Amino acid sequence: EAGVVQSPRYKIIEKKQPVAFWCNPISGHNTLYWYRQNLGQGPELLIRYENEEAVDDSQLPKDRFSAERLKGVDSTLKIQPAELGDSAVYLCASSLGNKNTEAFFGQGTRLTVV
Amino acid sequence: GENVEQHPSTLSVQEGDSAVIKCTYSDSASNYFPWYKQELGKGPQLIIDIRSNVGEKKDQRIAVTLNKTAKHFSLHITETQPEDSAVYFCAAPGSSNTGKLIFGQGTTLQVKP
Repeated sequence: EAGVVQSPRYKIIEKKQPVAFWCNPISGHNTLYWYRQNLGQGPELLIRYENEEAVDDSQLPKDRFSAERLKGVDSTLKIQPAELGDSAVYLCASSLGNKNTEAFFGQGTRLTVV
Repeated sequence: GENVEQHPSTLSVQEGDSAVIKCTYSDSASNYFPWYKQELGKGPQLIIDIRSNVGEKKDQRIAVTLNKTAKHFSLHITETQPEDSAVYFCAAPGSSNTGKLIFGQGTTLQVKP
């Protein structure tokens, strides 16, 4: 069974440019998460989806970040415009349920803003 | 508030020795505690988890213990091997067990051959 698939693996952009990340969760997983991992730290949740609905986006910087999960499967995370401080690894994860079930992570997208 | 503290930040052991990583959490309502292993350039991989209805869980060389009274849980790796070298993260649910995970700061484990 395929795991969580993310693309691209790496992205280098200049500040003020837009960038988008894509995630395909494990088949059948209703819950999808976007986490951000800064260097040397643990992942921090940006947004959580239950099917198509964003049920927790309290940590998402809404002035520049947006996300969508059309049809309750794939998801995209967008940053516009990017800032130097957005350099990090963006991780997507999925799980079967919304409460205390195993979350499986993709390999992440490493974003470098120059 | 939501907080997970993890210690130590780095740990170096000789191959064959045991390694122990400890975490504390703040929300007494938390009832699910996963441990993740992250290798360089990869996403975190779930290696073991424990729920609050048990005090210990073991899977081959890996075990996790939970003390709900003290609000801490630990990862134990026995007979360490060089391939165990990685960054390990503990996690606990955010407030109200909503599915959000709060991660510790990570422990870089180095197993010397």
